[in-house]
Amino acid sequence: GAVVSQHPSWVICKSGTSVKIECRSLDFQATTMFWYRQFPKQSLMLMATSNEGSKATYEQGVEKDKFLINHASLTLSTLTVTSAHPEDSSFYICSASNPQGLTDTQYFGPGTRLTVL
Amino acid sequence: GENVEQHPSTLSVQEGDSAVIKCTYSDSASNYFPWYKQELGKRPQLIIDIRSNVGEKKDQRIAVTLNKTAKHFSLHITETQPEDSAVYFCAASIGNFNKFYFGSGTKLNVKP
Repeated sequence: GAVVSQHPSWVICKSGTSVKIECRSLDFQATTMFWYRQFPKQSLMLMATSNEGSKATYEQGVEKDKFLINHASLTLSTLTVTSAHPEDSSFYICSASNPQGLTDTQYFGPGTRLTVL
Repeated sequence: GENVEQHPSTLSVQEGDSAVIKCTYSDSASNYFPWYKQELGKRPQLIIDIRSNVGEKKDQRIAVTLNKTAKHFSLHITETQPEDSAVYFCAASIGNFNKFYFGSGTKLNVKP
């Protein structure tokens, strides 16, 4: 149980375009999902907390108008990188916790590698 | 906010030896401490976790210890195997189902 999927697994786009990444909890309902960004050989940097039915909570320094988060249902959160630039190239990972589970742990998606040309 | 520091950044051991990774946290309200293993290009996978009301937890070759007074926790891997080679992250969380603060990661290399 507690499987999280992410789509797409990789995407290459041109500078100035927008990219949408989906995060789904497959076998549980996730009222809260988290979006991370990870640069090569670095740790996971929390970007925002996605709350079902309400606005996302962004970490300090993360531009909410650039990284749009929508948590429209209990199993789906989306991250849209708007007007992407080469510096947005990174590995984006989502996670979700299972309130019906036995622990507080977060289950991670497989990640999306974004390359902006 | 919470600050988690992790040491060492790299660790190389011989197969069969033990490996220890240490983390410290700053907020005494933190009450949940998971450890994740991440292989190159893959998702982080939970390997063990501990809550603040427990001092030690063990699962086969892996154990975690927590010292609340000193605000540090450690991951212990015994009888290391080449497949243990990966990057390990510690994290701390406050409350229930809240965000994680991650350490900087430790790259473990187990030499056969």
